[in-house]
Amino acid sequence: KAGVTQTPRYLIKTRGQQVTLSCSPISGHRSVSWYQQTPGQGLQFLFEYFSETQRNKGNFPGRFSGRQFSNSRSEMNVSTLELGDSALYLCASSLDGLDTEAFFGQGTRLTVV
Amino acid sequence: GENVEQHPSTLSVQEGDSAVIKCTYSDSASNYFPWYKQELGKGPQLIIDIRSNVGEKKDQRIAVTLNKTAKHFSLHITETQPEDSAVYFCAAADYKLSFGAGTTVTVRA
Repeated sequence: KAGVTQTPRYLIKTRGQQVTLSCSPISGHRSVSWYQQTPGQGLQFLFEYFSETQRNKGNFPGRFSGRQFSNSRSEMNVSTLELGDSALYLCASSLDGLDTEAFFGQGTRLTVV
Repeated sequence: GENVEQHPSTLSVQEGDSAVIKCTYSDSASNYFPWYKQELGKGPQLIIDIRSNVGEKKDQRIAVTLNKTAKHFSLHITETQPEDSAVYFCAAADYKLSFGAGTTVTVRA
């Protein structure tokens, strides 16, 4: 059974640009959550998508957005990149989110210069 | 919102000894408590979890205990091996996972 796949693994972007990250969940899983991991703030919840709808949202600015497709694959977009957006972005896949087992991908390492 | 505190931040143990990591949470609505292991360059890996209606769960050398009244839960690793060296995160879940700050475990050979 394939795990959670995130692409790309690494990205370098310039301040002001935008970026799109992709996540393919485990087959059959309908919930995809996104987390930002930084040395200073740790792991922080961005948002969760379930059945193509954003079901929950964390405390991040509107520059961070996402979507989910009918096959449960999800993308997150960050517009007008800032240096502070440099982080490891992780996607977690679960059957139906909430309090069920969540499995993480390898993450996308974003560096903003 | 949920606040999870994790201690210690670093832990060094001799191979074969036990390691214990403790977490506390603030929101009594949280009912699911997973533990993750993260190795360098990888995403967090789910190693064990416990639900609020269970006090203890064991899986080979790993065990987790939960005291819902005191709002704390712990991870116990027995007979530690070098491959147990990693960063461990506790989390509490309601509609999202709220993570502790992590514990860097080093197993000395």
